[in-house]
Amino acid sequence: DGGITQSPKYLFRKEGQNVTLSCEQNLNHDAMYWYRQDPGQGLRLIYYSQIVNDFQKGDIAEGYSVSREKKESFPLTVTSAQKNPTAFYLCASITSGGGGSNQPQHFGDGTRLSIL
Amino acid sequence: QKEVEQNSGPLSVPEGAIASLNCTYSDRGSQSFFWYRQYSGKSPELIMFIYSNGDKEDGRFTAQLNKASQYVSLLIRDSQPSDSATYLCAVNPGSGYALNFGKGTSLLVTP
Repeated sequence: DGGITQSPKYLFRKEGQNVTLSCEQNLNHDAMYWYRQDPGQGLRLIYYSQIVNDFQKGDIAEGYSVSREKKESFPLTVTSAQKNPTAFYLCASITSGGGGSNQPQHFGDGTRLSIL
Repeated sequence: QKEVEQNSGPLSVPEGAIASLNCTYSDRGSQSFFWYRQYSGKSPELIMFIYSNGDKEDGRFTAQLNKASQYVSLLIRDSQPSDSATYLCAVNPGSGYALNFGKGTSLLVTP
């Protein structure tokens, strides 16, 4: 089945530690996104990538880093500089071609990150 | 800052009634509009999308768009307890395909 796979489902971070959240898609989508959701809040954009080897900062990029070495993969690293990382992290993807701006984003199941 | 505003609720409706969820947006150049449903602890799932002024119906759901008033709504007919969830309005401003999301409206359908 085509879809977006996020792993792990739950992740715990110790003080001073970097952790990496995985996002893989087999939908052949060009663009991928990372969002953060805090309780009772909407989704806030962290980073996005429209093409391999290129990515842009979203609204809340500080303390996070990404890479896009393959079309299928867009991992997010939560660094020790992110002082309040506890949140629900969602990865999404969309096709860019042929009116891609009107296409809906598809989401993975999310990763819930907590501080130990 | 491009704003997408929703009433946080909770909106409580009895089973079988019509639920009306509203969303306003600030960017006049916005091109496409999406409604996602999110159950507690789960990721958002797409319910409806609309690009043109007017109504778009899909089963029990109707999306309504008024670009002049910068307003989009979602109607749920014959509401069921399983419709109880948070509904997120998302707007594509037309550049980069990154959606702007509202904070969501919590809907509670009571038996």
